[in-house]
Amino acid sequence: AQSVSQHNHHVILSEAASLELGCNYSYGGTVNLFWYVQYPGQHLQLLLKYFSGDPLVKGIKGFEAEFIKSKFSFNLRKPSVQWSDTAEYFCAVGPGYSSASKIIFGSGTRLSIRP
Amino acid sequence: KAGVTQTPRYLIKTRGQQVTLSCSPISGHRSVSWYQQTPGQGLQFLFEYFSETQRNKGNFPGRFSGRQFSNSRSEMNVSTLELGDSALYLCASSFDRVGLSIQTQYFGPGTRLLVL
Repeated sequence: AQSVSQHNHHVILSEAASLELGCNYSYGGTVNLFWYVQYPGQHLQLLLKYFSGDPLVKGIKGFEAEFIKSKFSFNLRKPSVQWSDTAEYFCAVGPGYSSASKIIFGSGTRLSIRP
Repeated sequence: KAGVTQTPRYLIKTRGQQVTLSCSPISGHRSVSWYQQTPGQGLQFLFEYFSETQRNKGNFPGRFSGRQFSNSRSEMNVSTLELGDSALYLCASSFDRVGLSIQTQYFGPGTRLLVL
């Protein structure tokens, strides 16, 4: 069975610091990978997604993620965070060519940015 | 296009009551999934409806049920509410065309249910 693991439950950074949120998954076949963000009081929004091609994926608001197949990882990065990046971040994985409901979500990482 | 909408946004119920939540997907989306989000458990998949049929189901008791109408709108019902049902209930829709390699879900704002 597939699973998703987000190692950090709560990350606290100062503005302008670099960010890397870890995400590991277990699934042997073709995968689709996602990062979602949930800002305080707002709904889940798609940050970026990977399904094939260049393993370095660029998303909105300066975020990027790198798919490393050998490590089963899809870590989220941002070179310089802002206070407005305070949110909860969810990694998700789903088998390729499958229903969206097969997507499994990680438990989330809460990111707090000190101004 | 309008996004996924959910009603009501907030709900307070007492134990033993039942509740019905509604979700309108993005126009053209045929798949609707429901999730329960709690601080300790993250997003837990409840069920998915596609073309008025339940296609997948998560590991929740039978008190949780749903349906989908011909216009793809979906409702979720929870009977005999328990305190532990307090959560944010999210609805997500996707286009779900057969053979599409990637199925992206778009989420609504959720219904926050408080059971007293």
